[in-house]
Amino acid sequence: DQQVKQNSPSLSVQEGRISILNCDYTNSMFDYFLWYKKYPAEGPTFLISISSIKDKNEDGRFTVFLNKSAKHLSLHIVPSQPGDSAVYFCAATRGDAGGTSYGKLTFGQGTILTVHP
Amino acid sequence: ETGVTQSPTHLIKTRGQQVTLRCSSQSGHNTVSWYQQALGQGPQFIFQYYREEENGRGNFPPRFSGLQFPNYSSELNVNALELDDSALYLCASSLQGPYGYTFGSGTRLTVV
Repeated sequence: DQQVKQNSPSLSVQEGRISILNCDYTNSMFDYFLWYKKYPAEGPTFLISISSIKDKNEDGRFTVFLNKSAKHLSLHIVPSQPGDSAVYFCAATRGDAGGTSYGKLTFGQGTILTVHP
Repeated sequence: ETGVTQSPTHLIKTRGQQVTLRCSSQSGHNTVSWYQQALGQGPQFIFQYYREEENGRGNFPPRFSGLQFPNYSSELNVNALELDDSALYLCASSLQGPYGYTFGSGTRLTVV
């Protein structure tokens, strides 16, 4: 049961253009979403997150959009740079009743982003 | 501030053996989680420890067990290794609450 899906295994983009990575989820109990970037031989690096009470969060070149009704989130990278080439994972989690304890992250399969100079 | 460190980086074991993987959490983080990442897949949650107690477990059999120590470092133990246990094992630490989890670089386990 794949609760978080990244349907595009790979994405190729020209330097300076926008990269849009997509993620869908099925579990309506998820209330916190994260994006990670992973280079070979390294662990995932946290990029940006969004709570379900928001529909957009921005951090520099990275913006995450959340559409709760569609159970869809996307990561926009503008402008894309060759150093952004990596595997991108979206992940989802849920808090306890008090919203203070967040347990496991459920990850998608990842999307390989290649940014060409 | 130090990040999350894992040891060893690579390991080869024989089917049926036991293995212990180690993780030092990021300074100040009281929660540690372990994940298994098979080739071409996203990380899969194994379990989480908070203040030395297991407080969440994924769909892994009991031969996967763990410990968290008072200094918040952690161990993952796998008994009776199977070929399918070959994967990258990732440790992540965090503070309780909706914060980003910091991952280590992982231990690459190969079972032959």
